[in-house]
Amino acid sequence: EIVLTQSPGTLSLSPGERATLSCRASQSVRNSYLAWYQQKPGQAPRLLIYGASSRATGIPDRFNGSGSGTDFTLTISRLEPEDFAVYYCQQYGTSILTFGPGTKVEI
Amino acid sequence: QVQLVQSGAEVKRPGASVRVSCKASGYTLTNYDINWVRQATGQGLEWMGWMNPKNGNTGYAQKFQGRVTMTRNTSTGTAYVELSSLRSEDTAVYYCARGVGDIWGQGTMVTVSS
Repeated sequence: EIVLTQSPGTLSLSPGERATLSCRASQSVRNSYLAWYQQKPGQAPRLLIYGASSRATGIPDRFNGSGSGTDFTLTISRLEPEDFAVYYCQQYGTSILTFGPGTKVEI
Repeated sequence: QVQLVQSGAEVKRPGASVRVSCKASGYTLTNYDINWVRQATGQGLEWMGWMNPKNGNTGYAQKFQGRVTMTRNTSTGTAYVELSSLRSEDTAVYYCARGVGDIWGQGTMVTVSS
């Protein structure tokens, strides 16, 4: 099973600032099958990025994913008030999917 | 509108079983895998397993092996997850998700309490 580690656990920023979230895998993620989700309280997760760097339908271009192998990054170029949430990475390169523990982006 | 509509909240006694349904709307269930994910209050996302609705093939997280069963009814476009031998630690919101996770159900709260 691939274990995902996310850092930092919490990121305290202000609107307009840049957010950089990290996701590290315990072994290489096949074909960069790595997704990022955003979740707000009381809501289901929302897919932001799949395949490490492809934006899902309707996702603003301030969200960018990058990385390969074991190191992946989600960058939010300029935080909007609605971006304060918890972000999870997930790998789907093996038959056993796994999620990271999440990064909370707070004001 | 493409969506997954889940069944309502459940309250179960320890040792009982629960079945949660997930109905595909706006697309054909058999065209995409279904993943099941749960989330205890204040905790992270936990993947439970997947099902290929076309052929019924499944894959379960080791943690749930022997206690979870994922099935589907292709005529109604509905997927199901059943979890048996419930304990208090199974109290969580259960989600179904399409494929890589572009569409999620609204979540079903399952409470296990004596």
